Amino acid sequence: NAGVTQTPKFRVLKTGQSMTLLCAQDMNHEYMYWYRQDPGMGLRLIHYSVGEGTTAKGEVPDGYNVSRLKKQNFLLGLESAAPSQTSVYFCASSPIAGGPRKTQYFGPGTRLLVL
Amino acid sequence: GESVGLHLPTLSVQEGDNSIINCAYSNSASDYFIWYKQESGKGPQFIIDIRSNMDKRQGQRVTVLLNKTVKHLSLQIAATQPGDSAVYFCAENRIYNQGGKLIFGQGTELSVKP
Repeated sequence: NAGVTQTPKFRVLKTGQSMTLLCAQDMNHEYMYWYRQDPGMGLRLIHYSVGEGTTAKGEVPDGYNVSRLKKQNFLLGLESAAPSQTSVYFCASSPIAGGPRKTQYFGPGTRLLVL
Repeated sequence: GESVGLHLPTLSVQEGDNSIINCAYSNSASDYFIWYKQESGKGPQFIIDIRSNMDKRQGQRVTVLLNKTVKHLSLQIAATQPGDSAVYFCAENRIYNQGGKLIFGQGTELSVKP
């Protein structure tokens, strides 16, 4: 199993441009998450999904949109990139939210620079 | 407010020594805690977890201790190796509405001196 994969690994955008980050998992997990990681801020949840066709807002959802059309994929979109969105983005997935199987498994990250 | 924090931002140990990384949490309702390791340029990697009905759990060279009385979590690494150098995050897992969310601490950077 590849686990959680993310594309692209690195991207440079100009302010106002749009892009989509792709996350894929082959573990048949129900839950998927998008985080951003900034120096001194730790990991912050942007959006998450509890199953195919569902999405919900996390702590810092503004400026981002997500879609979960297929169970194995979770897309993060930036409609109009801003320099404040320069960050490292991590996708994660977990089997279910309840019980002991709450552990989230992370992808390798996407580094985004907005100029 | 709710938070998960780490006492020390950096920790330097000698190879072969034991390492202890500490974490404080504020939400007494949290029932599950996880330690992650993040190496430079990589995503967080699961190390070990513990449920709130346990005080201690051991893995390979790692032990997690949970003190619910003082809301404190620690990760002990035995015989620390250079490959253990990384940032270590504690996280508490909470259920919000339909989903589970992890609240992460800021991280402690562990540096192992050969």
